[in-house]
Amino acid sequence: DTAVSQTPKYLVTQMGNDKSIKCEQNLGHDTMYWYKQDSKKFLKIMFSYNNKELIINETVPNRFSPKSPDKAHLNLHINSLELGDSAVYFCASSQNRNTGELFFGEGSRLTVL
Amino acid sequence: AQSVTQLDSQVPVFEEAPVELRCNYSSSVSVYLFWYVQYPNQGLQLLLKYLSGSTLVKGINGFEAEFNKSQTSFHLRKPSVHISDTAEYFCAADPTGGGNKLTFGTGTQLKVEL
Repeated sequence: DTAVSQTPKYLVTQMGNDKSIKCEQNLGHDTMYWYKQDSKKFLKIMFSYNNKELIINETVPNRFSPKSPDKAHLNLHINSLELGDSAVYFCASSQNRNTGELFFGEGSRLTVL
Repeated sequence: AQSVTQLDSQVPVFEEAPVELRCNYSSSVSVYLFWYVQYPNQGLQLLLKYLSGSTLVKGINGFEAEFNKSQTSFHLRKPSVHISDTAEYFCAADPTGGGNKLTFGTGTQLKVEL
């Protein structure tokens, strides 16, 4: 069983559209994250949730809205997509906030045309 | 602000040769350090971490890293690499020990050749 799973794996869409990426973890972790990896492989945290509560919201445009229906799921919705949103988005989870060990999904490659 | 520098964007090496991937960090407080590996088309996987204690940390797949506070470095080493070690390696730092403050370096592409 995949520990952290994301869908879809690939997403190609037009500018201005709205899209969502879903993430689920079956590890029983309390904390989940969204990271963005750009074309130069630079990784930057976007959001972090602990037990469905938002604890980190980096300087991300408010077109990005995370939603955590329960502690096993953290979805990312993006409105009015722009070219610069093209990237690989990684979901991750950790057992608690004090180990630094993150378990990553395989990534969702978003291409905005 | 904390930053992590990986000086080498690419490191080519022959199979069975030793390798060192360099990482330097800047922080005004105590810091926790990590190395993650990303295989092609996969997510990141923790190789090893330094939180406290012995400065030499051993990880999975025969990798180890040494924390050097005076040089603010946390270089990753392996005495003999295999083709399967070809991947992107990321150094990361966190002043709190928790994953929510993890700052990643820009990555080093290790390419192992026959």
